[in-house]
Amino acid sequence: QKEVEQDPGPLSVPEGAIVSLNCTYSNSAFQYFMWYRQYSRKGPELLMYTYSSGNKEDGRFTAQVDKSSKYISLFIRDSQPSDSATYLCAMSADFNKFYFGSGTKLNVKP
Amino acid sequence: EAEVAQSPRYKITEKSQAVAFWCDPISGHATLYWYRQILGQGPELLVQFQDESVVDDSQLPKDRFSAERLKGVDSTLKIQPAELGDSAMYLCATHRSTGTEAFFGQGTRLTVV
Repeated sequence: QKEVEQDPGPLSVPEGAIVSLNCTYSNSAFQYFMWYRQYSRKGPELLMYTYSSGNKEDGRFTAQVDKSSKYISLFIRDSQPSDSATYLCAMSADFNKFYFGSGTKLNVKP
Repeated sequence: EAEVAQSPRYKITEKSQAVAFWCDPISGHATLYWYRQILGQGPELLVQFQDESVVDDSQLPKDRFSAERLKGVDSTLKIQPAELGDSAMYLCATHRSTGTEAFFGQGTRLTVV
């Protein structure tokens, strides 16, 4: 079983839709949770970082962590065509070693 | 804005040839990682450095891959000989040693023909 599971998609939504991206994990020691956005042929860029459980909001993006269910989510409100990218979740127990999901490819149609 | 620099951006090489990638971390970032990302998959760790020392190279195919970080700043990753299955994006990421998120470079896309 992989440490982090992520649905690869692709996920196609109309512009303005609310997008929900999710990851599950198996290691209860994970306490640092990150979402990266990766455009085609580029390196991942950090979007959101959350410590332990709870929600964090940054503009149109909201990250949620439910440690009891070992489940994390990224919500994108009012999605834009420029949000079209692959979204990677990443986790760490100690900020020393990071475990990545396989990425979900999102396409926002104008 | 400080960023992780990687070069070259693209590399095409014939199988059995040697190839090298270079990474210059953000100033002050003591921890440096090399990841390999196959198309459609998430990054997989190859090697982790803390300053000039290797912390984790358990996933590095040591028969053909080598990595070094002399002086604890920039780093090189070498493959010799390259195989067709090595075609992938090679990503460098760095962070400060005191628990902050990792920042990635733009990667080197390797194609072995």
